[in-house]
Amino acid sequence: DTGVSQDPRHKITKRGQNVTFRCDPISEHNRLYWYRQTLGQGPEFLTYFQNEAQLEKSRLLSDRFSAERPKGSFSTLEIQRTEQGDSAMYLCASSQKAGLADTQYFGPGTRLTVL
Amino acid sequence: AQTVTQSQPEMSVQEAETVTLSCTYDTSESDYYLFWYKQPPSRQMILVIRQEAYKQQNATENRFSVNFQKAAKSFSLKISDSQLGDAAMYFCAYMRPNSGYALNFGKGTSLLVTP
Repeated sequence: DTGVSQDPRHKITKRGQNVTFRCDPISEHNRLYWYRQTLGQGPEFLTYFQNEAQLEKSRLLSDRFSAERPKGSFSTLEIQRTEQGDSAMYLCASSQKAGLADTQYFGPGTRLTVL
Repeated sequence: AQTVTQSQPEMSVQEAETVTLSCTYDTSESDYYLFWYKQPPSRQMILVIRQEAYKQQNATENRFSVNFQKAAKSFSLKISDSQLGDAAMYFCAYMRPNSGYALNFGKGTSLLVTP
């Protein structure tokens, strides 16, 4: 079990640029989640996939954000035309429906800084 | 919407002593899950313990135990025999199964462990 991995770990970009983050879930997990965590706050839910289907999106996920999970494996989160308010830690988590019933296992996160 | 409140921004405990972290939540559901996650500095979120709302027995994992009071909507975490490695942010989280599976997190409690 290699755990959930995320790449890159840190990203610094200028306002207006596009950025893309990748998440690789635990191999047998069919659910994948994205959360955003700002300083001093708990993580906030962004979106969720079951296999390749995106089943739920938070109102936090503006039209500048898009997430994909082709073939139900890794996932990407893209932010277009970044704004300073997008600066945060972006966390990915995965879970398996059976067994321990939806316990979510988190990756190390991607810290985004928008200058 | 479900809300999770952690009223203690910071707590301190001496090594080998016991500390209790508080969490309350607001929901109209009868079936749900509750979690405590630990986030060490610059490290990823780790599951500490989980509780199913339909279970009356409080969950226990080694030195970690919860006091789940369903009627009071309270879910506190007790750490016994505190160790230096317990120092971290602790987040309480609520999940409603079969409806999105998103975790709603509190703002967290920063636990300091002193020698």
